[in-house]
Amino acid sequence: KQEVTQIPAALSVPEGENLVLNCSFTDSAIYNLQWFRQDPGKGLTSLLLIQSSQREQTSGRLNASLDKSSGRSTLYIAASQPGDSATYLCAVKILQGAQKLVFGQGTRLTINP
Amino acid sequence: NAGVTQTPKFRILKIGQSMTLQCTQDMNHNYMYWYRQDPGMGLKLIYYSVGAGITDKGEVPNGYNVSRSTTEDFPLRLELAAPSQTSVYFCASLFSGNTIYFGEGSWLTVV
Repeated sequence: KQEVTQIPAALSVPEGENLVLNCSFTDSAIYNLQWFRQDPGKGLTSLLLIQSSQREQTSGRLNASLDKSSGRSTLYIAASQPGDSATYLCAVKILQGAQKLVFGQGTRLTINP
Repeated sequence: NAGVTQTPKFRILKIGQSMTLQCTQDMNHNYMYWYRQDPGMGLKLIYYSVGAGITDKGEVPNGYNVSRSTTEDFPLRLELAAPSQTSVYFCASLFSGNTIYFGEGSWLTVV
């Protein structure tokens, strides 16, 4: 059974710092991996999607990497801003069945001005 | 283009009552999903559908039922509500292989 873990559960950093969020998964047989942002009281917004054949994806100040062999992904946020404060979740799409996603518990990020 | 629309946004139920959470998508997506999210936890899959007329159980289906009579609609039925069903419910949809889209969520409290 695929399990996805995100550590730490919460992170607080000063504005302007570069930071890395971690995601690990137990089964390397994945279709893709996605990073999501969730603001309080809102749904999830997809930030980056990395296909299993890719090593990384970039969007603006965000860079996500994928190492299938070690079961790890990182989300790098450059020059953090208070508006980046949110919960970040990663999810892997498993190969079996109807393209189901398995989610981590999320990392609650706070950027202090 | 409204995306994924869920109703209601908030609901309080008494133990033993039943209700239906509505979900509609206007993107002609074939896959639709219902997830629940408990405080400080990730999302757990309740039910999913790969197309009209086809549904299947996810990780935590007990106490819930779904139907998919059209491509657009995927309602979630709660029968005999229990306090353990207090949670935030998210509906989502995707077109094969592409980005998944989520609704804004439905906050349900069972008292």
